[in-house]
Amino acid sequence: GENVEQHPSTLSVQEGDSAVIKCTYSDSASNYFPWYKQELGKGPQLIIDIRSNVGEKKDQRIAVTLNKTAKHFSLHITETQPEDSAVYFCAANPTGNQFYFGTGTSLTVIP
Amino acid sequence: GAGVSQSPRYKVAKRGQDVALRCDPISGHVSLFWYQQALGQGPEFLTYFQNEAQLDKSGLPSDRFFAERPEGSVSTLKIQRTQQEDSAVYLCASSLEVSGETQYFGPGTRLLVL
Repeated sequence: GENVEQHPSTLSVQEGDSAVIKCTYSDSASNYFPWYKQELGKGPQLIIDIRSNVGEKKDQRIAVTLNKTAKHFSLHITETQPEDSAVYFCAANPTGNQFYFGTGTSLTVIP
Repeated sequence: GAGVSQSPRYKVAKRGQDVALRCDPISGHVSLFWYQQALGQGPEFLTYFQNEAQLDKSGLPSDRFFAERPEGSVSTLKIQRTQQEDSAVYLCASSLEVSGETQYFGPGTRLLVL
């Protein structure tokens, strides 16, 4: 099956700085890559996703890049704010309806 | 609009008890997923429904786990003879799409087996 690795496991940034979280995957059949934000006591919330026919996607302060050759994709958050503090998960979808998640990155934005 | 809801939010069970966890997906959503999330880990796939059909149950860890969605809307995850290793958060997600993309998650049920 698919194996998704996520780094770093924890990340602290000053408010206003950028944050980058990276994921790698193993199954070249994966073609859909969502990113989720999970706050304490809540379920994951989809924040952005990218499909394999696109190299980059932006939504305001959030962007995702995908390198299919290298099998890695990254989440970029610019101008970070304290409310961005949460755990972020990447995921990959190789075939059918199975989605494989990374182990999460705990992001802390220091005011 | 209403999102995905799950009940109960917390469940404490004695080892050996049976439990039933409920998921109310967003109305009209075709796809429904169950995930298990251990502390400090990402969600792990358990099972997938397309309407009332359970198309993939390969992630269910043992035959003590059973899921159903008889009318294609509400789903129940049942765990028989609970064990301590079943302690986790159980997440439900639904999607309007058959592909399962763009999933909306519920808040989860935190199960603690003593």
